[in-house]
Amino acid sequence: EPEVTQTPSHQVTQMGQEVILRCVPISNHLYFYWYRQILGQKVEFLVSFYNNEISEKSEIFDDQFSVERPDGSNFTLKIRSTKLEDSAMYFCASSENLGGGADTQYFGPGTRLTVL
Amino acid sequence: AQSVTQLGSHVSVSEGALVLLRCNYSSSVPPYLFWYVQYPNQGLQLLLKYTSAATLVKGINGFEAEFKKSETSFHLTKPSAHMSDAAEYFCAVSGGSTLGRLYFGRGTQLTVWP
Repeated sequence: EPEVTQTPSHQVTQMGQEVILRCVPISNHLYFYWYRQILGQKVEFLVSFYNNEISEKSEIFDDQFSVERPDGSNFTLKIRSTKLEDSAMYFCASSENLGGGADTQYFGPGTRLTVL
Repeated sequence: AQSVTQLGSHVSVSEGALVLLRCNYSSSVPPYLFWYVQYPNQGLQLLLKYTSAATLVKGINGFEAEFKKSETSFHLTKPSAHMSDAAEYFCAVSGGSTLGRLYFGRGTQLTVWP
């Protein structure tokens, strides 16, 4: 069964450094998403992406964050200058259809980001 | 705006006992509701979803959930727990947008005792 993959599984970085989290969505999916979960808190939406553009972003997704689909398979989340509060599990997801709240989003296993 | 409240961050049951995980939602528009499960070191896996068809929704692994508009609830149940059901369960809501943003609850950790 096709699945969303994410690399690395765990990333440790120093405060102020740039990190890039990578995701490979399911191949025929058209919508891509990033979510994060700070330890002990809810899973929070960051951004959705369709047709090489951001469709929607949350208030968390400020200028520190950017997303890109650099080729036909990868979908990346970049944090330019990491802060301690960026430490979290980051989940990538993808869905097949052209949006719509009923569409199933398929999630990857997550990347645990630790900022020291 | 949408939001989800999951009552009980930890639920423990004996193997063979009824599983009941509670989820209440808030939505200004007709909601779409989801239950996801997360096993250790894995991603979120869809258990079931409500999309305004039948109010009783059956999912994988013997789970089901009932949409009750009057109670704004979407509780997850399973008649007989199995050891393999031990995991974290997340309720989520979307709606009012064509863009599919999900709003999650805090999650409920289910422990199953032998």
